[in-house]
Amino acid sequence: EAGVAQSPRYKIIEKRQSVAFWCNPISGHATLYWYQQILGQGPKLLIQFQNNGVVDDSQLPKDRFSAERLKGVDSTLKIQPAKLEDSAVYLCASSLETGTGGYTFGSGTRLTVV
Amino acid sequence: DAKTTQPPSMDCAEGRAANLPCNHSTISGNEYVYWYRQIHSQGPQYIIHGLKNNETNEMASLIITEDRKSSTLILPHATLRDTAVYYCIVRVVGNQFYFGTGTSLTVIP
Repeated sequence: EAGVAQSPRYKIIEKRQSVAFWCNPISGHATLYWYQQILGQGPKLLIQFQNNGVVDDSQLPKDRFSAERLKGVDSTLKIQPAKLEDSAVYLCASSLETGTGGYTFGSGTRLTVV
Repeated sequence: DAKTTQPPSMDCAEGRAANLPCNHSTISGNEYVYWYRQIHSQGPQYIIHGLKNNETNEMASLIITEDRKSSTLILPHATLRDTAVYYCIVRVVGNQFYFGTGTSLTVIP
C-alpha cells in the first residue's frame, strides 16, 4: 500500500512569514495526526483528527497554528506568523482506527525559520 | 509525557543481536508497550507492541518481564540499516503516543 505522503519535503522561510504543509494519509485511514519534532527530541503531538473532526488539539499553539482535514482525507497544517522556534520537522501520521495497532508516519517536512 | 526510561545510546556489532532495554515501572494494567524506530531523515516506523506476552514478528522480538515493569526489544541479527533511534512507549489503547528521546543505536561494521 502507498505510504503517508507529505509535501513539501523542505521549506525555508523568514520569521513572521506564513507556511503550509500538506498530508495525504493512507487510503481508508480514518485517524490522522500532526506531530512536531524539534532537533534532538522525540515527536510531539500537535493535533489529532478522526475523519474530519478534531479529537485532540490541546497541544496546538492556536494563536499561530491551524489545521484542517476537509472531507476527512487530506490535511493541511498552517503556521502564521512563523517564529524561529517553529524550526522543526512536521510529521503526519495516520491509522486505520484507534485500536491497538501503530501509526504509519510520513517522511515529514523540515521547516527552517530564519 | 513519556513514562519510560531508555539508555541514550548503544552500540552493536553487525550480525549480532541488539538488545534494547526499556524501564516502565509505573505501567498500568491496560497499557501496551510499543516500539518504534526512526532512521535519519525519516518518520518513525512502527516495529512491534505487546501487553503481557512476548511477541515476535519479522522485524524483532519483544520480551516483557512478568511484572511488566521492563521490556527488551531484540533485533536478532543487526545490520547497518538498523542504525536508528529506537523509542519505547507505553500507551492505553485510544490514547496518543508520547515519544521520549529514545535510544540511539549504532550498528558497527
